[in-house]
Amino acid sequence: GAVVSQHPSWVICKSGTSVKIECRSLDFQATTMFWYRQFPKQSLMLMATSNEGSKATYEQGVEKDKFLINHASLTLSTLTVTSAHPEDSSFYICSARVGERYTEAFFGQGTRLTVV
Amino acid sequence: GQNIDQPTEMTATEGAIVQINCTYQTSGFNGLFWYQQHAGEAPTFLSYNVLDGLEENGRFSSVLSRSKGYSYLLLKELQMKDSASYLCAVQDSNYQLIWGAGTKLIIKP
Repeated sequence: GAVVSQHPSWVICKSGTSVKIECRSLDFQATTMFWYRQFPKQSLMLMATSNEGSKATYEQGVEKDKFLINHASLTLSTLTVTSAHPEDSSFYICSARVGERYTEAFFGQGTRLTVV
Repeated sequence: GQNIDQPTEMTATEGAIVQINCTYQTSGFNGLFWYQQHAGEAPTFLSYNVLDGLEENGRFSSVLSRSKGYSYLLLKELQMKDSASYLCAVQDSNYQLIWGAGTKLIIKP
């Protein structure tokens, strides 16, 4: 299957700082990538859909100024958590789908963010 | 609204068979996925159903009934490594994935 690489796997940062998470499709071009957040024992929550060359589409309740998404190329999307606070501590996962329909989603390894 | 329901937790014995159910109410239906997620890791794909019936993949099988808004994942010959969360996801009319909260499966020797 297709490979999605996410980096870093885990990060600890101080409250008020910013953290950038990278998501790369290694063996295919992903015009669309998805960013999820998952709290312990909860479902995957879609934060935003990242579109190459255009602005991301954010889900209701997700602050676009706090969670900056950049999809500058067909193989790279980045999520920057700005002015991080302890409540932003979570597991962030990116995924990409090959084509638009009827295809499985391939996931990055996930990033465990801890804000102290 | 859109809703996916799965049991929160299940326990089974090594070597046995377990069935994990998923019911859904979504805006349209374009397929149902099952994923496995080990703690602290990203989900991995198990199966996809878009038509009623059975899909088999080794020890894992999935069944779909669109008229009932229902699917189940069947795991046979359980192994300790099968201890994980199992996520059901439905693709709605806009081809967006709607995720269930997952079923934590505990395998006991």
